[in-house]
Formats: sequence, C-alpha cells, structure tokens
Amino acid sequence: DGGITQSPKYLFRKEGQNVTLSCEQNLNHDAMYWYRQDPGQGLRLIYYSQIVNDFQKGDIAEGYSVSREKKESFPLTVTSAQKNPTAFYLCASSMGTGPYEQYFGPGTRLTVT
Amino acid sequence: GQQVMQIPQYQHVQEGEDFTTYCNSSTTLSNIQWYKQRPGGHPVFLIQLVKSGEVKKQKRLTFQFGEAKKNSSLHITATQTTDVGTYFCAGPVDSNYQLIWGAGTKLIIKP
Repeated sequence: DGGITQSPKYLFRKEGQNVTLSCEQNLNHDAMYWYRQDPGQGLRLIYYSQIVNDFQKGDIAEGYSVSREKKESFPLTVTSAQKNPTAFYLCASSMGTGPYEQYFGPGTRLTVT
Repeated sequence: GQQVMQIPQYQHVQEGEDFTTYCNSSTTLSNIQWYKQRPGGHPVFLIQLVKSGEVKKQKRLTFQFGEAKKNSSLHITATQTTDVGTYFCAGPVDSNYQLIWGAGTKLIIKP
C-alpha cells in the first residue's frame, strides 16, 4: 500500500526533553511538510522540504528542527525550546511544489508534562 | 500577512438538512483546496478549484470559487452521518504554493 506513515500515534514526554517524530512516505513525492494542529484551529506549517537535503521554515519553526537525508523520510524534532509542544502533529507530502493535493499521515499526538 | 477566514466555526444540523461553510481570503488566490478531517483522523483532500467562478459537484457536495478568486464555499445537501467532521479550505500563500489554512468548520449532526 502506498501512503504516509507516522509513528508513534501517541507520545508522552517530560518537559526539557527533545523528542523526534517519524514520517515516512512511499509515494515517491518530492515535497514533504510538517504541520501542527491545535484544537479549534487550522493547520500551521512548521517546516517543509521541496527536495532531498533542502528544507525551509514555515510560519512556526521556532523550537523545531528537521532533516531530509532521504526522499522517503522527513523526521521532526521537537526541542526543549518549544514553549507549548503539546499538540497534534501531521506530516504530509505532495508530488512537488505547485497546485498539488497534499496527502497526510495519521498524525502523532504529543503530550508534554 | 495573508489570512484565510472560514465561517462558521461550528454548524449543528439535523440529519437531512443542508450545510454550508464559507472561506474568505484577504488576497486573490491562484487556487483553493478543500479537505475533510473526520474526528480523530487526518485531513483528506476533497477537491481543488482553479478558475474564477468555477463550480464543481461531488454527489451531494457542491464547491464554488468566487469570481474574484477571494472566496469559496462548500455546500452539502441532505447531510448524512457520514458527513460528520471538520471541513477546511486552504490556499497557496506564495509562489512556492505553501498552503495557508482556514480554521475549519465542524459539522455536527444533532442526535
């Protein structure tokens, strides 16, 4: 089956710890994205990557980091510098940058206490 | 900065009633996309509108793109329980086609 996988589905961490969220796609898509979703709000872009070894900051990149060493993988690290890390994190991919639909993974719900 | 406003935030309907959500952009959009997110799920692409004044239908769903390409709407006729979820519009913010999202309209079927 082609698609996007994210793991884990639920993640619990203590304040002050860095945590890495996994995102893998087998759709052969060039572009990948990380969004954050908070209750009652739309999706906000954290980082995106248009091609391997390249990525750009989105609207709310502070406290987050990413890497894109392989086309299939785009992991997101939530660092201890992120002030309100508890949220639902969604990874997406598309064929490229352009008017293409985005395909989403199932999401990771991160709770930091 | 560019904003995409979506109203209403919630809409409660009886099963069989119609539902409409509206999306307004502060700037002209080259295209607009609509997504549906079921409770506990992830957004799923529904449709993309590109042309001024475009109207597209998917069974009971009708999507419209305004003449000025600054607003859009989604209308569902005779809602069913399978329609429950949050409907989002999203439009490109720059030449890189990064999407800016509306806050969504949650469709709730009254028991």
